[in-house]
Amino acid sequence: DTGVSQDPRHKITKRGQNVTFRCDPISEHNRLYWYRQTLGQGPEFLTYFQNEAQLEKSRLLSDRFSAERPKGSFSTLEIQRTEQGDSAMYLCASSPRGRANTEAFFGQGTRLTVV
Amino acid sequence: DQQVKQNSPSLSVQEGRISILNCDYTNSMFDYFLWYKKYPAEGPTFLISISSIKDKNEDGRFTVFLNKSAKHLSLHIVPSQPGDSAVYFCAASPGGGAQKLVFGQGTRLTINP
Repeated sequence: DTGVSQDPRHKITKRGQNVTFRCDPISEHNRLYWYRQTLGQGPEFLTYFQNEAQLEKSRLLSDRFSAERPKGSFSTLEIQRTEQGDSAMYLCASSPRGRANTEAFFGQGTRLTVV
Repeated sequence: DQQVKQNSPSLSVQEGRISILNCDYTNSMFDYFLWYKKYPAEGPTFLISISSIKDKNEDGRFTVFLNKSAKHLSLHIVPSQPGDSAVYFCAASPGGGAQKLVFGQGTRLTINP
């Protein structure tokens, strides 16, 4: 399967713990995006990478959140000192290099529950 | 500030009829618009897109219409099928590509047999 892969699919954690999610984009897609979706809302942009460079971060991405894409392939999103408000679906997407007017391909998401 | 709005949280349509989903936006910088479909426990799946230089784009049963002066777009599905039952999201981009998509809240479409 050559789609966007996210791991884990579900994560339950206690408030105050750190969590890390992984995203493997479609091969040779140089752009990678993270979004967050809460119940009843559409996905909200968090950050995006072009190759290994993090080009933009939303104000939603507080200093407890950090994302990396060290070799321009897979990416990780870490949340430190989780809070109940962090409970959401975290979606990763990728898109190919250099093409205008192209869609983003989404993974199945990681559902985070903070208890 | 909700820049992309889908004002109908839900829509119910009879199988075989036309489904029309609507979306309004406020940011004049948006120049590329997309529709995604989402089933429970899955990520959004791309359906169809339209550039601001066009006012219509068709792909099989799906047609997207863009009215730039009204800042409005709509997705038409005809004929509607039971497998079309899902949540539909409208999204917009200011950069002609997929980066930093701004999504609406979604419309839950139910197709009744």
